[in-house]
Amino acid sequence: EDQVTQSPEALRLQEGESSSLNCSYTVSGLRGLFWYRQDPGKGPEFLFTLYSAGEEKEKERLKATLTKKESFLHITAPKPEDSATYLCAVQKRQGGSEKLVFGKGTKLTVNP
Amino acid sequence: NAGVMQNPRHLVRRRGQEARLRCSPMKGHSHVYWYRQLPEEGLKFMVYLQKENIIDESGMPKERFSAEFPKEGPSILRIQQVVRGDSAAYFCASSQGGAQPQHFGDGTRLSIL
Repeated sequence: EDQVTQSPEALRLQEGESSSLNCSYTVSGLRGLFWYRQDPGKGPEFLFTLYSAGEEKEKERLKATLTKKESFLHITAPKPEDSATYLCAVQKRQGGSEKLVFGKGTKLTVNP
Repeated sequence: NAGVMQNPRHLVRRRGQEARLRCSPMKGHSHVYWYRQLPEEGLKFMVYLQKENIIDESGMPKERFSAEFPKEGPSILRIQQVVRGDSAAYFCASSQGGAQPQHFGDGTRLSIL
């Protein structure tokens, strides 16, 4: 069964304190791995797609990387506005199925 | 989350009533997905539709739940004879298909009295 595990469940950082979020996955035939950000009361907001091991994507203070078993979301010098829940999801290469399998997320709090 | 429009944002129903949730995809997107998010749990896939076709309904409960995406108009997720356990946030997403990113609406929060 496809599984996505995110760690830690919650993370508190001081403004400017860099860190990384982890997403471990088991899926037979990865089509893509997706990172989203979700604010309270809102829907997930798309951040990155990674398709193959070794790939990296960057956007402002965020950088996502991918290996064959896990992905990391690196946050450099975070600001309070980076506080949110970060979700990881995988899509399996399986016929016409396009469903995403999500982890439970990492709740990030950045204190000023 | 501009683009994918869901309504209503909040819906209150009594046990046994019907709930209808609507979703208009982003312009240019023909693939629609419904997910459910229960408190303290992750997003769970329910169903994937294209215009007038259900492509994958592997996450849909076998009874009381149905979905459609007609040729004209929004996609509808319908829950008949609601029970307390149906209380959740229901999110719709749309994409151009394949491994293209799915973009989400802000959800409908369903509460069952």
